[in-house]
Amino acid sequence: QSALTQPASVSGSPGQSITISCTGTRGDVGNYYLVSWYQQHPGKAPKIMIYEVDKRPSGVSNRFSGAKSGNTASLTISGLQAEDEGDYFCCSYAGSTTWVFGGGTKVTV
Amino acid sequence: EVQLVQSGAEVKKPGESLKISCKGFGYIFASYWVGWVRQVPGKGLEWMGNIYPGDSDTRYSPSFQGQVTISADESINTAYLQWTSLAASDTAIYYCASQRTGNSFDYWGQGTLVSVSS
Repeated sequence: QSALTQPASVSGSPGQSITISCTGTRGDVGNYYLVSWYQQHPGKAPKIMIYEVDKRPSGVSNRFSGAKSGNTASLTISGLQAEDEGDYFCCSYAGSTTWVFGGGTKVTV
Repeated sequence: EVQLVQSGAEVKKPGESLKISCKGFGYIFASYWVGWVRQVPGKGLEWMGNIYPGDSDTRYSPSFQGQVTISADESINTAYLQWTSLAASDTAIYYCASQRTGNSFDYWGQGTLVSVSS
């Protein structure tokens, strides 16, 4: 069970859009529509931003959107704002009630 | 309001045992999986394992199988993570999280910092 692969860092200017990729295998991302994304600010617990690939929990801005193609999922943040700075982690169901996280991506605005 | 409240920070010596807790509020604790996630300071999230409090069905990541024990007491809405012999490499923040929505980790505890040093 290897960690999902994410870029170490992504940056953008205010108002721009950025996309974070999350690559897994046929055993996790490629086989289930159960990818979720989490935002983490320094010293805080992670917060769910996307679940089931492209669904937003209540209260999460519609500037955040998710997608998946094959073994790779992605999170897009549009209209980048200073408050979007932080670490982002993807997570996928991997079968038999097990999960795997990505290594994390630091977003800089 | 759904909340997960974890026990406080711990400072331990190598070889000591430890049990940390995670208490759920505002939902039917027994009916949803609860996961434990490790975060070494400055590093990423690692899924350790899950428990279904209603019947104590437990799953472990291969990386943590045999290293920790996950348990729960549904009568007091609490899940536990325990070690019998801590090592310095166990120094990390440990989070619990509920899985009430779409097989994701939707509500998180505040984290428990475990420091292991001689």
